[in-house]
Amino acid sequence: KAGVTQTPRYLIKTRGQQVTLSCSPISGHRSVSWYQQTPGQGLQFLFEYFSETQRNKGNFPGRFSGRQFSNSRSEMNVSTLELGDSALYLCASSLAGGAVTGELFFGEGSRLTVL
Amino acid sequence: AQRVTQPEKLLSVFKGAPVELKCNYSYSGSPELFWYVQYSRQRLQLLLRHISRESIKGFTADLNKGETSFHLKKPFAQEEDSAMYYCALFGGGADGLTFGKGTHLIIQP
Repeated sequence: KAGVTQTPRYLIKTRGQQVTLSCSPISGHRSVSWYQQTPGQGLQFLFEYFSETQRNKGNFPGRFSGRQFSNSRSEMNVSTLELGDSALYLCASSLAGGAVTGELFFGEGSRLTVL
Repeated sequence: AQRVTQPEKLLSVFKGAPVELKCNYSYSGSPELFWYVQYSRQRLQLLLRHISRESIKGFTADLNKGETSFHLKKPFAQEEDSAMYYCALFGGGADGLTFGKGTHLIIQP
């Protein structure tokens, strides 16, 4: 069974631009969560989607948004990029929802560098 | 707000020695606690969860509600245990899984 796939793996943007990251969950998983990982703050929860609906949301500004499609694939978007958005963005999928079982299956991440 | 604290950023022990990775949490209700591990060049993955009361790869963790701790222990460390370990908490609300900042465990030969 293929694991969680994230694209692109690496990308470089400049301040003010926007970026879209994609995540394909494990087949059959309906929940997708997104996390931001930085050396200073560690892993921080962005949001979770389940059956195309945002179920939970972390404490991030509105520049961070996401969506989930009917095939459970998810995208997250960051608009008006700031230097502080440079991070590894991790996607994780689970059957019923990581919030329920705690078992998340993580992708390798998309490393975003903002110049 | 829920919070997870892992006081040690780095822990180095010799092979065969006991290991204890500390995790303390702040949460007013009854949380669910987990340990995640990331080996070199691998993805972050679940190691164990407190509700299962299981031993995985020789690791165990006991939830101590009085001390609000969920320390990870192994009696005899092995070199393949070298990795980043993250403690995580789920409180049932809208915060998702809250992770600690991780402890880098190094097992020296």
